[in-house]
Parts: sequence; C-alpha cells; structure tokens
Amino acid sequence: NAGVTQTPKFQVLKTGQSMTLQCAQDMNHEYMSWYRQDPGMGLRLIHYSVGAGITDQGEVPNGYNVSRSTTEDFPLRLLSAAPSQTSVYFCASRPPGTGFGNTIYFGEGSWLTVV
Amino acid sequence: DAKTTQPTSMDCAEGRAANLPCNHSTISGNEYVYWYRQIHSQGPQYIIHGLKNNETNEMASLIITEDRKSSTLILPHATLRDTAVYYCIVRDGGSNYKLTFGKGTLLTVNP
Repeated sequence: NAGVTQTPKFQVLKTGQSMTLQCAQDMNHEYMSWYRQDPGMGLRLIHYSVGAGITDQGEVPNGYNVSRSTTEDFPLRLLSAAPSQTSVYFCASRPPGTGFGNTIYFGEGSWLTVV
Repeated sequence: DAKTTQPTSMDCAEGRAANLPCNHSTISGNEYVYWYRQIHSQGPQYIIHGLKNNETNEMASLIITEDRKSSTLILPHATLRDTAVYYCIVRDGGSNYKLTFGKGTLLTVNP
C-alpha cells in the first residue's frame, strides 16, 4: 500500500511550456484533489474529483486542467506555465462516505519552478 | 467551513507536553475539528479529529471544550521530530473533498 504517490518530485519549466503532474493512489478512494502551497501560506484547492469521470474547480483553477479516467489516477496539467505557478503541489485523496474517520491523505508534494 | 484562529508560533522543550490551542467560535453542530501537521518540505499529515468528545490516539490527544468553541491538541512527550506547522481545521465530516488551511502554528521543539 503506497498511499498517494506524486511524480515528479522536482521540475523546472520554462515560461509557456506545458507539463503534467501525476498523482496515483492505491486505496480505492473516490475523492481526489490538487492543492498548491506558496511560501508561508496555507494550501489552496485547485481542482478536485468525486469519482472517475467527474471533476470540478476549486479556489484557484485558472491555468490548470484535470481529468479522472480511472479511480486511481488524477493528473494535473499546466497548459502554458507561468512564473506565478511556481509552487509546491500536493495531491490528496479520501474515501467516500460521511462521518467519523473520513480522513484526507496527502502525497509528498511536487516542487515546480517556472523560469 | 468555520474559521479557526491559532497562535503563529510556540516553543516546547523536548520531552515535555506540547499544548496547541485553537479557537473555532463559529463552529456548527455537524462540523468536526481536525488537526494536521506539516513537517518542512513534506505533505500534510493527519493527526487526529473529533466532534464533541475528547479523543486520543498514538500520536496525540484532542481536548474539545464543552461549548465546542475551542480545542487543544496535546503532544504528550514532544520530540525534535515534532517540530512542524500544526493546522487546526473544522469541516463538515462528510461533505467534501476540501480542507481550508490557515497559516497554522509553527511548533518548535527545543533540545
């Protein structure tokens, strides 16, 4: 059981380039999401998915696309990278259902620098 | 989700208990109190959560006041590896995917 796995861990992009951050989980979680964290700040939600084939926008979706073709994978695409997208990106997942014990699990992060 | 207020930073001596407070005066009846921490350069790590009653697990204890307007996370015997930013979050236990992170409390455990 690997939990939430993100790749790559580090990436440097040039302005205007595109790339995909990969996220996979092996816990059969329905819910997955992407956050970004800028220096000295809390995490902000970019996009989320409540199941395969279903995605929606979070707080800061501009410049990012997502898709959810399988339960396991939730890639985040940067369409045309900008320096403002320099950040640490975290993927998270949680099981479906309600109530106690509904914990969100995070990956280890992907450090992205756009120059 | 209700807003939380935490001190910006705290210090604790190694081996002593660390008590981290959190105010959530606008919490509603169906909202849980969650605690996460983030060690430098790592993803947030779940610690504990509760609704009304005090909770304890292998990592920490959570004390929630009777009116639920505040809570305290207790690390009973802090170690240097507990140095991290601790986030108190309140949210509906079932509703959603989203955690609203504030700036949290930087706990520094000193030798």
